[in-house]
Parts: sequence; structure tokens; C-alpha cells
Amino acid sequence: KAGVTQTPRYLIKTRGQQVTLSCSPISGHRSVSWYQQTPGQGLQFLFEYFSETQRNKGNFPGRFSGRQFSNSRSEMNVSTLELGDSALYLCASSSTLAGGPGDTQYFGPGTRLTVL
Amino acid sequence: AQKVTQAQTEISVVEKEDVTLDCVYETRDTTYYLFWYKQPPSGELVFLIRRNSFDEQNEISGRYSWNFQKSTSSFNFTITASQVVDSAVYFCALGYGNNRLAFGKGNQVVVIP
Repeated sequence: KAGVTQTPRYLIKTRGQQVTLSCSPISGHRSVSWYQQTPGQGLQFLFEYFSETQRNKGNFPGRFSGRQFSNSRSEMNVSTLELGDSALYLCASSSTLAGGPGDTQYFGPGTRLTVL
Repeated sequence: AQKVTQAQTEISVVEKEDVTLDCVYETRDTTYYLFWYKQPPSGELVFLIRRNSFDEQNEISGRYSWNFQKSTSSFNFTITASQVVDSAVYFCALGYGNNRLAFGKGNQVVVIP
């Protein structure tokens, strides 16, 4: 099976712009989670989608949003970019049916966003 | 609140030495799951192991082994006879809610040939 794919791999934007990142989960996986990784804060949970519904959201401002499509592919959007949004954004998928804390999440290679 | 602590930030070892990574977690949940992931320089998080709170058996997989002790809320990871390919950042994580992981800060392991 192909793994989780994320596009683009690298992105450079300027402050105030918006950006959309894409994630394709492993075939058959219906849950997609997003994480932000920075040197200062480490890995932080952004949100999780299952069957096109957001079930969880981390402690991030409303500028961070996401959605999931019927084929389980997911996108996240960051509006009005700030310098502090520079990070590696990781997407993970799992094969959960009912959800829960024990599903193994498989991660993609990430999108490295640089905000100038 | 869920919290994971990995105290050592960077650990350097000479090839073939053993290295142990400590992970201490905090949770009020009675059922929870613990994970270890490896992040090589490429950036992708690679899943290594999952353990639930009811299974305290230690596990060995090749040169990797894990020691889960509920009494001390620890889930430590040992690499035996380290190799240069083991150089990476290793993360311990606690699963909670719906597919939500709380990660520790990670251990940077540097294996010197």
C-alpha cells in the first residue's frame, strides 16, 4: 500500500498570505490528523477529521482550518500567515472505524512551510 | 491533562553501544495508549510500537526493546548495539481522545561510527 502523501513538500510564503496544504491518506484509512512541528513547541495536534467531520481541534487560532473530502483526502488552510507559522506540518492517517486513543497513526513526509 | 516528558534532549553514543531513552507520562485516563516514533532527517515520523495500558509485558523487536512500568508511569525504549542508521529523533507519545497524540519533546540520538 502506498503511504500517506503530502503536497507540496516545501512552500515559501510571505506574511499575510494564505496557504493550503494537502494530504492523501493510506488507502482505506478514514481518519486524518494534522500536527505542527516547530523547534520551540515540538509536535502539536491541530485537528482530526473522520468521514468529513472534524472531531477534535487543538489549541490553535481560527486562522488554522481544515476539511476532509469524501475520498478521505484532507486539506488544511492557514490564513493571514505569521512568521511563527513557519513549521513542518505533518499529516497522519489511521484506519479507525469508531475512533479512540489506540489507533496507530501513520505519518506522511510533511510540508515544510517557511513564512518570510 | 495528558503530558509526556522525555528528559534527555540529545544523546551521543559510539556505534555498538546500547542507548536507553526515558519516557514518563501523565494521564488521568484508565485506558490509554503509548507509542514510540522515529523521525529520521527526512522528517517523516515512522511508527515503532504501540502499547495499551493493560499490557505491561516488555517487548523486543530485533535490536529494539521497550519496558513499560505502570507503577512509575514510564515507557522506556532501548536500542541495543546501536548503528549509525539509528541516528534520528525518537518521540514518545500518549494517545487520547479520538486519534489525538500528545508528544514528548523527543530525544536526538547521534550514533558515532
